[in-house]
Amino acid sequence: DVQLLQSGGGLVQPGGSLRLSCAASGFTFSDSSMQWVRQAPGKGLEWVSAITSSGDSASYAASVKGRFTISRDNSKNTLNLQMNSLRVEDTAVYYCASGGVSARKFDPWGQGTLVTVSS
Amino acid sequence: DIQLTQSPSFLSASVGDRVTITCRASQGISSSLAWYQQKPGKAPKVLIYAAFTLQSGVPSRFSGSGSGTEFTLTISSLQPEDFATYYCQQVNSYPLTFGGGTKVEIK
Repeated sequence: DVQLLQSGGGLVQPGGSLRLSCAASGFTFSDSSMQWVRQAPGKGLEWVSAITSSGDSASYAASVKGRFTISRDNSKNTLNLQMNSLRVEDTAVYYCASGGVSARKFDPWGQGTLVTVSS
Repeated sequence: DIQLTQSPSFLSASVGDRVTITCRASQGISSSLAWYQQKPGKAPKVLIYAAFTLQSGVPSRFSGSGSGTEFTLTISSLQPEDFATYYCQQVNSYPLTFGGGTKVEIK
């Protein structure tokens, strides 16, 4: 089965850090661009970050640039999102997904993980 | 950044109805548009990509059309399992963006 299994997330205080991970199986991870998308409670979808299949280039939404870092380990079929200097407005369910501009879609998606930033 | 405007934001319809959702891009994106369905507590699921290509396994009652700046998602005969929120997404250039969503509810 093609699958993305997420881990990490939880409750963190403003200014704190958190690391999300996404483990891929059932497809050739090293051939796929990967993405992070978030959804604040009761709100729509917001693209967060992308990384190329080789990991040599990354893109970020303006709202997270300079605070979040996307990375991947193709030997372990794993995608990561390091989130620093977290703000209350970063509270959301975070999804990883495979795909991007070349694929013209995001598929599959991880199950999502909740990040809550609160004091 | 490319802005996507979806309309309507809310839609009340009955089983068997034909439903159309529109997505307008702030600049031309060729056919680089995808449509997703999301149910409460679940990850989005792709329905249509490249504006009109049906994702494998998606029922044929779903269809997409358009190019440039105006796109539509049509459900030819609404089924009970189709009540959900639908999002368009441009995959033409970064930053990738989503429309605001259309919630389809039972009349």
